[in-house]
Amino acid sequence: RKEVEQDPGPFNVPEGATVAFNCTYSNSASQSFFWYRQDCRKEPKLLMSVYSSGNEDGRFTAQLNRASQYISLLIRDSKLSDSATYLCVESGGSYIPTFGRGTSLIVHP
Amino acid sequence: DAGVTQSPTHLIKTRGQHVTLRCSPISGHKSVSWYQQVLGQGPQFIFQYYEKEERGRGNFPDRFSARQFPNYSSELNVNALLLGDSALYLCASSGGGMGEQYFGPGTRLTVT
Repeated sequence: RKEVEQDPGPFNVPEGATVAFNCTYSNSASQSFFWYRQDCRKEPKLLMSVYSSGNEDGRFTAQLNRASQYISLLIRDSKLSDSATYLCVESGGSYIPTFGRGTSLIVHP
Repeated sequence: DAGVTQSPTHLIKTRGQHVTLRCSPISGHKSVSWYQQVLGQGPQFIFQYYEKEERGRGNFPDRFSARQFPNYSSELNVNALLLGDSALYLCASSGGGMGEQYFGPGTRLTVT
């Protein structure tokens, strides 16, 4: 069974902190990776794609490590508004994307 | 620009009944995927349709079926509802392939 594993947290950090999440995947044929953000009782929203060369968007940086089969998300200078659940997703060649259960982040003043 | 729309937003059904959920993708997107999300879990993939053809199917029983129409909108049908079918049903559209997906607000289904 192909799985995606995430630490559910919660990660409780103060404003301004740097926080990192990892997500491991078991499908070595995975080709596409993404991070989504989901607020309570809302739909997931695409945060960023994860490329082999890494991807940075403002305070957010995503990395892919194919050898160890994990992706990571780094958030710098955390804001209160970053509080949410972060979902990682992998898609192999079979058009069946697999989501992790999500990591909860709470940023406090 | 309109995002992905879903209807209805909430639904209450009784065990054994049938339900139809509807989704309209972002204009220009030809692919629609359906997901089931229960509290505390990530979305579970049910189906993907592209150009009206089923392109992927998750590990769900045959009570779940879907179709895509010529205008790329889609329906998810669930027969013989069980209590365990209570969940948030999400629709996502994409341009194609397994690229970035954009989710609708979901339909919250409660089975009593």
